[in-house]
Amino acid sequence: ETGVTQTPRHLVMGMTNKKSLKCEQHLGHNAMYWYKQSAKKPLELMFVYNFKEQTENNSVPSRFSPECPNSSHLFLHLHTLQPEDSALYLCASRPGVGLGTDTQYFGPGTRLTVL
Amino acid sequence: AQSVAQPEDQVNVAEGNPLTVKCTYSVSGNPYLFWYVQYPNRGLQFLLKYITGDNLVKGSYGFEAEFNKSQTSFHLKKPSALVSDSALYFCAVRGLPNNAGNMLTFGGGTRLMVKP
Repeated sequence: ETGVTQTPRHLVMGMTNKKSLKCEQHLGHNAMYWYKQSAKKPLELMFVYNFKEQTENNSVPSRFSPECPNSSHLFLHLHTLQPEDSALYLCASRPGVGLGTDTQYFGPGTRLTVL
Repeated sequence: AQSVAQPEDQVNVAEGNPLTVKCTYSVSGNPYLFWYVQYPNRGLQFLLKYITGDNLVKGSYGFEAEFNKSQTSFHLKKPSALVSDSALYFCAVRGLPNNAGNMLTFGGGTRLMVKP
């Protein structure tokens, strides 16, 4: 276990539903990430938060809305998704700035299916 | 822009034989290079990284990787493969400067199949 947890592990939702993915780490890390992993595609970075501030939005559609209330928690709010949004959504965290803090630690992911 | 190429979608090796999973990269400045492994229905697990120092980096589960600056490569190796090494392997790179978010660029992944 990496110390990064994600809930739920599996989620099936309709295109009109609203749901949220949760990521939690108690490693004392200061940076958190959302990635999307689709079949036969490279891992896609979605959002980056450093010290609770969003520092990167990788041209993600507005139907994905991240929230980082504190350094330990990261949410991804989902609404009016499309079937092509079905994927494994991975959360990662990193200690912070400075040497030796480069490694990202990943959660197990949420397998999302949009019907 | 930084990029990573993993030229092989799948690598097949017999148990007990040495394995190599290839990775080449393109980045501005000195690269930070990483290998991650993903087992079925799991997230990515960190294996090893190269930041500076010795070109041969040793990591978890007996894996190692060799940084070759002239060939811009960072191939993953293991002297003797185990069936339990079968998984999806990702190479990633982070370049400097202007990457305050420590954004990694991942390769497409290579599936390693180790057969008994």
